[in-house]
Amino acid sequence: QPVLTQSSSASASLGSSVKLTCTLSSGHSRYTIAWHQQQPGKSPRFLMKIEGSGSYNKGSGVPDRFSGSSSGADRYLTISNLQSGDEADYYCETWDSNTWVFGGGTKLTVL
Amino acid sequence: EVQLVESGGGLIQPGGSLRLSCAASGFSVSNHYMNWVRQAPGKGLEWVSVIYSDGSTYYTDSVKGRFTISRDNSKNTLYFQMNSLRADDTAVYYCAREVHFDYWGQGTLVTVSS
Repeated sequence: QPVLTQSSSASASLGSSVKLTCTLSSGHSRYTIAWHQQQPGKSPRFLMKIEGSGSYNKGSGVPDRFSGSSSGADRYLTISNLQSGDEADYYCETWDSNTWVFGGGTKLTVL
Repeated sequence: EVQLVESGGGLIQPGGSLRLSCAASGFSVSNHYMNWVRQAPGKGLEWVSVIYSDGSTYYTDSVKGRFTISRDNSKNTLYFQMNSLRADDTAVYYCAREVHFDYWGQGTLVTVSS
């Protein structure tokens, strides 16, 4: 089973950019993952899925400020022109052998 | 427009049972993977169960033998029968569509406590 590792917290200033990382465990570096955003008090929202090649597909209505990329076992979510509404928890997830796993989540603070 | 609306949560004593529902609109549950994901208070997301379009079902280890996922295609609704509930099952339960949860419901809170 893959394990997904995320930093517990990140912060960046309003209007700047931030790059969040999700790292796949050894032997799983080619897996496709997905990013989900959970704003305070709300249900999660699908942002995008990212393949090992680095190609990504965004969900319906996800702004252009959100993009994805990949390098080795790392999958990245980049948010540019940060807005106050981007302050949220961000989770990555993947699946294997009929089970799904989530990373521990990164709490993003917009300063 | 795709929508998922959960219901059926509440306060239940340890050992009790609950059935959650997830009413879908804008698509057919029979044609998609449908999942239940839960989130304990103040914690992260945890996948719990899936039903595939062919009817196959899978569960996380902690709920095997206690919880059952099913669907009613005529009502376009997903269900989650939860038996022998324990305190550590306390969480908001979300239904979510497809392999990478491209749509989520608003969630329903299950509280297991005496």
